[in-house]
Amino acid sequence: GEDVEQSLFLSVREGDSSVINCTYTDSSSTYLYWYKQEPGAGLQLLTYIFSNMDMKQDQRLTVLLNKKDKHLSLRIADTQTGDSAIYFCAEVNFGNEKLTFGTGTRLTIIP
Amino acid sequence: GAGVSQSPSNKVTEKGKDVELRCDPISGHTALYWYRQSLGQGLEFLIYFQGNSAPDKSGLPSDRFSAERTGGSVSTLTIQRTQQEDSAVYLCASSKRAPSNTEAFFGQGTRLTVV
Repeated sequence: GEDVEQSLFLSVREGDSSVINCTYTDSSSTYLYWYKQEPGAGLQLLTYIFSNMDMKQDQRLTVLLNKKDKHLSLRIADTQTGDSAIYFCAEVNFGNEKLTFGTGTRLTIIP
Repeated sequence: GAGVSQSPSNKVTEKGKDVELRCDPISGHTALYWYRQSLGQGLEFLIYFQGNSAPDKSGLPSDRFSAERTGGSVSTLTIQRTQQEDSAVYLCASSKRAPSNTEAFFGQGTRLTVV
């Protein structure tokens, strides 16, 4: 079955860039997503990329997709305290259209 | 409605009792998911409904867990003979079908506490 993996924790100094990585096994992914979950809140979509793209930029967020290595990353420029959250990557399988989430990466900002 | 609605938002139940959790997806969304999230942990997939297809129940942790989706809309997750390890936040999400963007929209969850 599909498998999506992430590192569990990342600590970054305020003002630095954060890079959150994700690897997946499903070669028939269509869309790949990044979700953010702030403490005590639900999941909110941050950004997504279609599988025929290599990169997508949206303000402070940059998504890079390496299909050959099945590697997805999310870069947050100029990390702020408000970026503290758990970040989940997810992919949709082309066949059954099922959304599969990674384990989530908890981003901690160091003042 | 405007978003995915879950009820109740909080539920405290005694060990051994049955509970029902409800999810109202966004109108027109054919896919519906249930996930479980223990405190500070990741998402644990439970079950996936897509249109009229047979649901993917591969994530249900035991036969005490079941879910149904009536009329392709509202879904109910039932946990029978609840145990303390069932305590978690249960999240529901819905999405459109491809080729539309299959972005999933999440409800705020039901926090279940088994005492």
